[in-house]
Formats: sequence, structure tokens, C-alpha cells
Amino acid sequence: QVQLVQSGAEVKKPGASVKVSCKASGYTFTGYYMHWVRQAPGQGLEWMGWINPNSGGTNYAQKFQGRVTMTRDTSISTAYMELSRLRSDDTAVYYCARDVGAVAGSWFDPWGQGTLVTVSS
Amino acid sequence: QSVLTQPPSVSGAPGQRVTISCTGSSSNIGAGYDVHWYQQLPGTAPKLLIYGNSNRPSGVPDRFSGSKSGTSASLAITGLQAEDEADYYCQSYDSSLSGSLYVFGTGTKVTVL
Repeated sequence: QVQLVQSGAEVKKPGASVKVSCKASGYTFTGYYMHWVRQAPGQGLEWMGWINPNSGGTNYAQKFQGRVTMTRDTSISTAYMELSRLRSDDTAVYYCARDVGAVAGSWFDPWGQGTLVTVSS
Repeated sequence: QSVLTQPPSVSGAPGQRVTISCTGSSSNIGAGYDVHWYQQLPGTAPKLLIYGNSNRPSGVPDRFSGSKSGTSASLAITGLQAEDEADYYCQSYDSSLSGSLYVFGTGTKVTVL
């Protein structure tokens, strides 16, 4: 079955960087865009950007441009999201989610289990 | 920061029908982009509930239905059950280029009385 498995929880100090991984299985990794979405404690969902695993092309939400980098390693079907210059308000659960339709406005299915990133001094 | 507005909470007794609205604008829902819905049970990742405004993925009970009209969309749950208690989010696409391309609703907590 299609599955996304993310790396474990992280604790980082303000100003540091974090890199979260998302390993895909059960489908052709390069055939579907991958999105990253985050959710701060008790808050809603916030889209961060997508990566095209085939070409490596990316598109980031304006809010995160300059701080986020999305990459992939096709040899191990894994996508990565790195967020730099961390602040306390970056504390959140970070999800990867597969884009089903590869057209503007498509939906996400499935989602990874989430990775909690805590930023604290 | 969410550009799609949902009511913070809705509640109903078991067996009742509840609806959740998702209000957007001319740059997202009103521009013709599809609306999708996700269910998030406590402590878990979101799960696709409705895609393409009104389509249910395999395995989703037909108690869940979606619709879209103008700049808004709605999710209806009929025959409410205890296991439906969760947070629900709508999602669409925004062409305003002023922020995010993919936008989520503010989220609605459904409580089964």
C-alpha cells in the first residue's frame, strides 16, 4: 500500500536548522509531487511548498522562501524538507503529503505520520 | 493566515446531521478550483475525506458528502457517530500569488454530544 514514513522528533535551538525526511513506498516516487504542510500546537494546517521528485523542481510558499529547502533522493524514494534559522514559532508537527493529481489544486493523499519539531533554548 | 473560513466548532447528537461551511473568495473557490476535505482524529495525521468537491475515496462512508457553490463549499455528515468526533479542514488552491498556492480552511471541531 502507498505509505509515507517520516523521521523522528527533533529538538533544536533557535537559529539552528532542521532536516526532516519522508520515505515513500508502494508507488513510483518520481510520478507524484510531494508537499510539506505544518501544524503548530493547537493550530490549523499551513502549506509550505512542493517538490517534483522527478525533476527536483520546487515551489515554496512566500512565507518560507529563503528559509526552506526541499530536496529528494530518488535512489531511496525519500523527500527532505530543511528549515533554517529556526524560531520558537516554528515549533510544529511537519507533514509530508503526496499530491494525487499533479495539477493545480489537486488533493493530498496519503500523509506521513508527522514529525514534531520543537524549537527551544 | 488561512484564507478559507470555517466555523470553529459544530456539534450534534448521534444520528443527527451536521454541516461545515468553507468560505473563500474569487481567487480560490470562486475561481473554479476544487475543494477537498480532510478529517484529523486526535493525535493523528489528516486523512482525505472528500476530493474534487464531492467525491469520496474508497473506504469513506457515504454518511460524508461534499458540495460547492460560488465562493463556498460544504461538508455534511449525516447519521453522526461517536467516531466522527474530529477536526475537519477544507483545502483549495489560490491564484492570487500573494502568499500560498495551496490553502487550508481554519478548521472545524466536530463534537458528538
